[in-house]
Formats: sequence, C-alpha cells, structure tokens
Amino acid sequence: LAKTTQPISMDSYEGQEVNITCSHNNIATNDYITWYQQFPSQGPRFIIQGYKTKVTNEVASLFIPADRKSSTLSLPRVSLSDTAVYYCLVGRKGNNNDMRFGAGTRLTVKP
Amino acid sequence: GAGVSQTPSNKVTEKGKYVELRCDPISGHTALYWYRQSLGQGPEFLIYFQGTGAADDSGLPNDRFFAVRPEGSVSTLKIQRTERGDSAVYLCASSPQGGLASDPNNEQFFGPGTRLTVL
Repeated sequence: LAKTTQPISMDSYEGQEVNITCSHNNIATNDYITWYQQFPSQGPRFIIQGYKTKVTNEVASLFIPADRKSSTLSLPRVSLSDTAVYYCLVGRKGNNNDMRFGAGTRLTVKP
Repeated sequence: GAGVSQTPSNKVTEKGKYVELRCDPISGHTALYWYRQSLGQGPEFLIYFQGTGAADDSGLPNDRFFAVRPEGSVSTLKIQRTERGDSAVYLCASSPQGGLASDPNNEQFFGPGTRLTVL
C-alpha cells in the first residue's frame, strides 16, 4: 500500500504560484500519481496524473523526481476560485480499498 | 453533456430507518463507484461496479449497506437500520473503463453527493 503524506493546509495569495508536495515512499513500480481537487459541496475532480518527470496541462503541472518517492503539484498564478482541497493518490491496481484519498491539503487563496 | 447526478441532494432520517440513495452515471460509463465522506476527511471507497456486477465491495462497512446496479446504469445504495454514525456525504463516481482512481487514463467523474443525516 502506497501511503501518501501531504500538508494539512496551505495559505496563498492571488497571483502566486502554489506548490503542494506529496510524499509516497512506498510507491510501486506500476503506480501512477494522480491529483484530485474538491470544492466545497462538490465531488472531487481530476486535475492531473503522471508517472515520472513532468506533466503539464491547462490547469497544473506535476513534478515527479527520479526516485518517485514524492511529487509536487504546481498551480500557477492562483485565484480565489482555486481555494479547495487537493488530494494526492497513489494506488495499487486491482484493489480499490488501497485507493485512499486521505485528508488532502486544504488550500486557501486570499485576496 | 450531463455529468453524474445524485438524488436526493439531502436526506434526513431517523435512527433505525431505511434509506436509498440514487446515482445516475455518465451515459456509456461502464464503471460506477460509491464513496462516503465524513466531515474533514477524504472520500472513503465503498463499492465498485463494472457493468451490473459488483467488482469490489470490500469497502462496505457492514451488512447494513448494500448497492445494486441492475441494468448497468443507475445505481442505488441502500442502508438498513441507519445509525447516527452513517451520517456523511455519499459520493458516486463513474468512469469509462473501471479500475482505481489512480490507474492511468481512468479519470473518475464524481457527482455532487447526497448529504445523509441520521438523527
């Protein structure tokens, strides 16, 4: 089971870049790293997924070092609407009970 | 297109009562998932359907919880003899092919959830 560890909360200001790091020391060879975002009173929403190095989409970038024991979600120039909980997932294929969202990182963006 | 919908959005019931929560997945998605989310926690996996069958029900907490998906589309989560500890937001998600939310190319699309309150 690849347990993940993230900061419980982070604060930022509008226009800043935010980096949220997730530790997953026991990641397995076949595991992918996936991030979800959850706004209040909504279900989680997929943001980005990667296996190694760097992945970028229109929402975020994901940086994964060579040892894959951690990953960093980078949100460029955050706005108030980026205030949400961000979950890092690293699961073991074939066992849904291994897919634990954890408590996530509560990001608060201030004006 | 339409996303995942869940009804009701809120349900208040008394301890010991029976409740049913409904999920309408995205059309064409073969996989459907139920999660439970308590205040301040991340979603907790309950059960996963691939088509009409439950591919993995290892997350159901006890035999008071049961879910069906008879035609491979709409699913109903059923909770018997509700307890106060069952109070939570129940989330449903669907995906095109199934597997873990962290599997490659298996993005799960979540509904807004049903907030269940057991008095």
